[in-house]
Amino acid sequence: DQQVKQNSPSLSVQEGRISILNCDYTNSMFDYFLWYKKYPAEGPTFLISISSIKDKNEDGRFTVFLNKSAKHLSLHIVPSQPGDSAVYFCAASVPKASYDKVIFGPGTSLSVIP
Amino acid sequence: NAGVTQTPKFQVLKTGQSMTLQCAQDMNHNSMYWYRQDPGMGLRLIYYSASEGTTDKGEVPNGYNVSRLNKREFSLRLESAAPSQTSVYFCASSPGVYSNQPQHFGDGTRLSIL
Repeated sequence: DQQVKQNSPSLSVQEGRISILNCDYTNSMFDYFLWYKKYPAEGPTFLISISSIKDKNEDGRFTVFLNKSAKHLSLHIVPSQPGDSAVYFCAASVPKASYDKVIFGPGTSLSVIP
Repeated sequence: NAGVTQTPKFQVLKTGQSMTLQCAQDMNHNSMYWYRQDPGMGLRLIYYSASEGTTDKGEVPNGYNVSRLNKREFSLRLESAAPSQTSVYFCASSPGVYSNQPQHFGDGTRLSIL
């Protein structure tokens, strides 16, 4: 039972257009959300995050939106660039006794076409 | 600045063999983690070490052991490898165990068990 879902395994976007990557979660106890980006043969790298007390966080071309009532978040990349082609993992965190448990989604592979 | 270094990058084992995956970080982080990534699934936590001298089980610890050798190094051991342990293994580190301190990942070890 996947608690963090990324229902689109892949996405193709033209260079310069907006990329929208979606993520849904099932656990209402999640209080922090992160996006990681992964290139082939490399490890994931942190991209952007958002706390559950916010509904938007922006960092340059990247914006994450959180809709708690729908248990949905999305990552917007504007404008998309070929270097953005990668796998994007959505992750959600719930506090536990000794650590914050982070659950990763299966990822969405983004291709930005020049 | 190397960040998180994993060795080896690739390994093929026979069922029943043992091996140790090595991980070292040079960011003076307190917390370290071992994940596995399987097709169609997100990263799943095997073990973590909140700080030097402590280790705890994650979601999928069966068949694995870990050692936090010192603050820099965190190793993962497969005592008797099984085909179900074929996966890509990622080591990560972070300043602490809280989700607002994002994890830094190594480039992974691709392990095949025949």
